[in-house]
Amino acid sequence: QVQLVQSGPEVKTPGASVKISCRASGYTFSNYYIHWFRQAPGQGLEWVGVMNPTDGSTSYGVDFLGRVIMIKDTSTRVVYMELSRLVSEDTAVYYCARGDLTSVTKRSYFEYWGQGTLATVSS
Amino acid sequence: DIHMTQSPSTLSTSVGDTITITCRASQTINTYLAWYQQKPGKAPKLLISGASNLQYGVPSRFSGSASETEFTLTISSLQPDDFATYYCQQYYSYLPLTFGGGTKVESK
Repeated sequence: QVQLVQSGPEVKTPGASVKISCRASGYTFSNYYIHWFRQAPGQGLEWVGVMNPTDGSTSYGVDFLGRVIMIKDTSTRVVYMELSRLVSEDTAVYYCARGDLTSVTKRSYFEYWGQGTLATVSS
Repeated sequence: DIHMTQSPSTLSTSVGDTITITCRASQTINTYLAWYQQKPGKAPKLLISGASNLQYGVPSRFSGSASETEFTLTISSLQPDDFATYYCQQYYSYLPLTFGGGTKVESK
């Protein structure tokens, strides 16, 4: 069965970086986009960006340009999202989710999600 | 960006009631609209895609409809397990994908 398993909670100080992993299983890793979202405490969902595991190409939300990097390790079927220059407003649960086939489209709805990773930014 | 306006933000209701949640898109998105249910501490669960296509395993009391840029999620005969927060999401444009602000369905 399709599973996305994320790394554990993180606590960072302002200005630091956080790197969260998303390990995929149960399907052909390179065939589906991986998207990242975040949800601040008590707030709604925000799209962070998307990676194509076939070639590593990425697209990021404008609010994250210059601060986020998404990379992959095909051998371990893991996608990483690193967010730098953290501020308190980056405190959120970060989710990865499997998108559509890379041969089809980046625009997608999401049936499969990781369990979420809480990243707390505090001095 | 395509802005999704979801209403109401909170809905107080009772088991057995029929409720409707509305999502309005700031521009045309055809039927590239999904609905999710989210419970505290959990990832969103996909209920409906394509505005009205029920996901496998989702109870038939959930239904979705579309009229131009207005979309509705209806839950008929609300069950105790349905108390949660619901989100709409447009996927007409992925730059960026956007969600409505959420509707918390709570017990009256």
